[in-house]
Amino acid sequence: EPEVTQTPSHQVTQMGQEVILRCVPISNHLYFYWYRQILGQKVEFLVSFYNNEISEKSEIFDDQFSVERPDGSNFTLKIRSTKLEDSAMYFCASSEGRVQETQYFGPGTRLLVL
Amino acid sequence: GEDVEQSLFLSVREGDSSVINCTYTDSSSTYLYWYKQEPGAGLQLLTYIFSNMDMKQDQRLTVLLNKKDKHLSLRIADTQTGDSAIYFCAESISPGGGADGLTFGKGTHLIIQP
Repeated sequence: EPEVTQTPSHQVTQMGQEVILRCVPISNHLYFYWYRQILGQKVEFLVSFYNNEISEKSEIFDDQFSVERPDGSNFTLKIRSTKLEDSAMYFCASSEGRVQETQYFGPGTRLLVL
Repeated sequence: GEDVEQSLFLSVREGDSSVINCTYTDSSSTYLYWYKQEPGAGLQLLTYIFSNMDMKQDQRLTVLLNKKDKHLSLRIADTQTGDSAIYFCAESISPGGGADGLTFGKGTHLIIQP
């Protein structure tokens, strides 16, 4: 069964460093998403991406964040200068089309900023 | 704004039914979802219900939606040890599609007693 994959599974970084989180969505999916979950808190929507541009973004997704689809398979989330409060689990998701019930999630990347 | 609330823990005996409850605030929600997260894994879509439905059944899972009270529940019949996980309620207000993110609750930890 096709699935969303994410790398790395864990990342530790120093405050102020840049990190890139990688995702490979399901191959025939057209919509891509990033969510984050700070420990003990809710899963929060960050951004959605369609047709090589951002479709929607939340107020969390400020100028420190960017997304890119550098090739036909990868979807990345870059955090330019990490802060302590960026420590969280980051989930990538993808969906085939415009119907919401088909969002499939990856296993997540746990980011720890020291 | 949208908000989704769930109780944090539910403990049931193996073989009993589990009922996980969720309340939401946005009356314009179009789709409501239940996701399951096992330790170390991503979010797995269990089931969803469209806002014009009251009930949906899928094998051991029954979803009930009370739009008047903005209350959603997930019933798991004959709960097994493999059902032990965190269950997230989520809503989408996207009217029939689009790339809007989902709004999640904090998740309910389902604990199975032997």
